[in-house]
Amino acid sequence: DQQVKQNSPSLSVQEGRISILNCDYTNSMFDYFLWYKKYPAEGPTFLISISSIKDKNEDGRFTVFLNKSAKHLSLHIVPSQPGDSAVYFCAASEVGGGADGLTFGKGTHLIIQP
Amino acid sequence: NAGVTQTPKFRVLKTGQSMTLLCAQDMNHEYMYWYRQDPGMGLRLIHYSVGEGTTAKGEVPDGYNVSRLKKQNFLLGLESAAPSQTSVYFCASSYSSYPGHFGDGTRLSIL
Repeated sequence: DQQVKQNSPSLSVQEGRISILNCDYTNSMFDYFLWYKKYPAEGPTFLISISSIKDKNEDGRFTVFLNKSAKHLSLHIVPSQPGDSAVYFCAASEVGGGADGLTFGKGTHLIIQP
Repeated sequence: NAGVTQTPKFRVLKTGQSMTLLCAQDMNHEYMYWYRQDPGMGLRLIHYSVGEGTTAKGEVPDGYNVSRLKKQNFLLGLESAAPSQTSVYFCASSYSSYPGHFGDGTRLSIL
């Protein structure tokens, strides 16, 4: 049973436009959400996170939005740049979840077209 | 500053062989993790450690053992490799219970 779903395996966006990556979850106990970015042949890197007490968190060109009622979060990248081409993983953790409580989605491959 | 270093980067084993994957971090992090990533799957936690001398099981621990004798090192062992353990293995470390820094991975094939 997949608790964190990234339903788009890939997404193609033109350079300079907005990239929107989506993530849905089924576990209502999730209260902390993270996005990781991964280039080929490298390990993932932490990008941005959001707690369930917020509905938005910004860091430069990256903004994460959380809609708790819809159990949905999205990562917006504005403007998209060629270096943003990577696989993006959404992850979620339960209330009081420890080091073993993080559940990852399968990832979305973002391709930025010149 | 090397961050998280994994060795080896690639390895091919025969079924039944054993091996150890080494992870080293130079950031003085308490938390260390071993994940595996299979095609079309998210990362799945194998084992983790919240400090020197401690280890705990994650989501998919069967067939693996770990040790954290020194704070900076986290070893993942396969006692008797099976084809189902063919995967890319990532080590990570962090100050918190969320992995922040990952190594570049070990690509392991079991024939």
